[in-house]
Amino acid sequence: GQNIDQPTEMTATEGAIVQINCTYQTSGFNGLFWYQQHAGEAPTFLSYNVLDGLEEKGRFSSFLSRSKGYSYLLLKELQMKDSASYLCAFRGSTLGRLYFGRGTQLTVWP
Amino acid sequence: DAEITQSPRHKITETGRQVTLACHQTWNHNNMFWYRQDLGHGLRLIHYSYGVQDTNKGEVSDGYSVSRSNTEDLPLTLESAASSQTSVYFCASSEFGGAGTEAFFGQGTRLTVV
Repeated sequence: GQNIDQPTEMTATEGAIVQINCTYQTSGFNGLFWYQQHAGEAPTFLSYNVLDGLEEKGRFSSFLSRSKGYSYLLLKELQMKDSASYLCAFRGSTLGRLYFGRGTQLTVWP
Repeated sequence: DAEITQSPRHKITETGRQVTLACHQTWNHNNMFWYRQDLGHGLRLIHYSYGVQDTNKGEVSDGYSVSRSNTEDLPLTLESAASSQTSVYFCASSEFGGAGTEAFFGQGTRLTVV
């Protein structure tokens, strides 16, 4: 079956770097996604990895190791507006269904 | 600009009533999904569709139904609303394939069953 796990909560201070980990188990794999969700809003797409390695997009980077079933989201130069829930999800096949983790609530303190 | 919209944004209904939540997308995506989000559970898949006339059950489909008569719409019906169905409902759409096929989410519908 499919399983995905990420920490429930994390805290960090403004200007710092934080790494949010995600582990998954699946028989089929077609990509790992990270979404950001602010309280009361819809999830918005942050990053996509399908091959091993690091994808960098501004202050956000995402890493994937398919052999380990592991990904992380790295947020640099944290800002107060980065306080949000971060959702890890994998796609089991090209058809498109996503399997979501429960989300990591990140709180950034001044 | 293409978008995905849900209506209503907020709904209060009584136990036992039938309720339909609308989802409309102008991305021309084949895939459409309905999720519910509750504290401690994250996003859980209710039903999904990979194209017109195609519907599939997700992990929490009991008490819900969908139909896909065109590409743009996937309405979600609660046959007989129960208090356990009080939740925030998100509709999403995506295309098949790899890079650039992330799911786009609607703004959500907050449903309260009293």
